[in-house]
Amino acid sequence: AQRVTQPEKLLSVFKGAPVELKCNYSYSGSPELFWYVQYSRQRLQLLLRHISRESIKGFTADLNKGETSFHLKKPFAQEEDSAMYYCALTRKTSSGSARQLTFGSGTQLTVLP
Amino acid sequence: GAGVSQSPRYKVTKRGQDVALRCDPISGHVSLYWYRQALGQGPEFLTYFNYEAQQDKSGLPNDRFSAERPEGSISTLTIQRTEQRDSAMYRCASSWGQGANTGELFFGEGSRLTVL
Repeated sequence: AQRVTQPEKLLSVFKGAPVELKCNYSYSGSPELFWYVQYSRQRLQLLLRHISRESIKGFTADLNKGETSFHLKKPFAQEEDSAMYYCALTRKTSSGSARQLTFGSGTQLTVLP
Repeated sequence: GAGVSQSPRYKVTKRGQDVALRCDPISGHVSLYWYRQALGQGPEFLTYFNYEAQQDKSGLPNDRFSAERPEGSISTLTIQRTEQRDSAMYRCASSWGQGANTGELFFGEGSRLTVL
């Protein structure tokens, strides 16, 4: 079974400090992983996906298949980064065509001034 | 529309009543998903449609839960004989269909259900 684990429910850092949100997964196939974010009073939205190897809002995430991890990192946190962050893993449906996601339980990041 | 629209935003009902939650996806999106999110947890998959066809309902917890998307656009999630444990945020999402699907889901604001 596919599973996504985010060990930290709450994480607080000071502005300008580095931040790392941890994500570990278990998946028998070749995974595709994502980070979704929900800012206060906004919708859940995609932050970044591992296949794009992109940096969004200064965040990066590297898929480590050996450690089955996909940690989200930013070298200098900003107050506007305060939000709930969810790590997610694709899961194919029985038809083989869907791309529904399995989510972790989320980490609430607070960046202090 | 500007995004995925869900209604009602908030629903309070008494145990035993039926509820219907509506989702209007982004125009042109082929795939529509329903998720349930309990407090302190991540979204949990319930069911999924491609056009009007329900492709996977493996996440529906029991037969009190059903969903439809009769014309391949708006979808309704129905919970019959509600129980207190059904209290949660119900999230709808849509995406481009197979072939153009990057894995990005576009979520609505959610419908918060409270069963008394």
